Amino acid sequence: NFMLTQPHSVSESPGKTVTISCTGSSGSIASNYVQWYQQRPGSAPTTVIYEDNQRPSGVPDRFSGSIDSSSNSASLTISGLKTEDEADYYCQSYDSSNQGVFGGGTKLTVL
Amino acid sequence: EVQLVQSGAEVKKPGESLKISCKGSGYSFTSYWIGWVRQMPGKGLEWMGIIYPGDSDTRYSPSFQGQVTISADKSISTAYLQWSSLKASDTAMYYCVRLGSGSHDPWGQGTLVTVSS
Repeated sequence: NFMLTQPHSVSESPGKTVTISCTGSSGSIASNYVQWYQQRPGSAPTTVIYEDNQRPSGVPDRFSGSIDSSSNSASLTISGLKTEDEADYYCQSYDSSNQGVFGGGTKLTVL
Repeated sequence: EVQLVQSGAEVKKPGESLKISCKGSGYSFTSYWIGWVRQMPGKGLEWMGIIYPGDSDTRYSPSFQGQVTISADKSISTAYLQWSSLKASDTAMYYCVRLGSGSHDPWGQGTLVTVSS
């Protein structure tokens, strides 16, 4: 079964840059698009990156996505961290049967 | 404005049936897939399945095949998630999300389903 693995938690200071990784278990992560979702406590998820590196309207350009085929991983980078960025972040892609798969989520603490 | 609005919270007993809804507006409902996602208390997101309202093509994640039914009524731009016999382990928040080329949003606000005797 195709799986996406994320670090359980990351922390960084306001104003700094943080990168969250999402590693595919098999195949090429570049074969299907990767999305990233932000979920603040008590709220529904929102999309911050779709199709590897595209931002929905309204998402600041502090958020960026990338793919690294050599490590079979995707990354979400948030620059100029703000306290409001503190949330859980989930990556999502598709397996060979076009079934959606989520990573386990990463808790970002901005302190 | 593109929106997905979900039905309200439900409290049910084990064995009861339930159908929750997700109404789309502000876009062509028949041109995008709708996905359903489960989030159990304190846990991560789980992909349940998707439906294309244009022709009702439906695909289930293996973990949810046979456990739930996904449907849609394109005449009223609404997708549904239903259970025929709820279990306590179905207690969770359920989200719908619009999917498709160039888009994986918005998300609905979520429907909390509580199953308790």
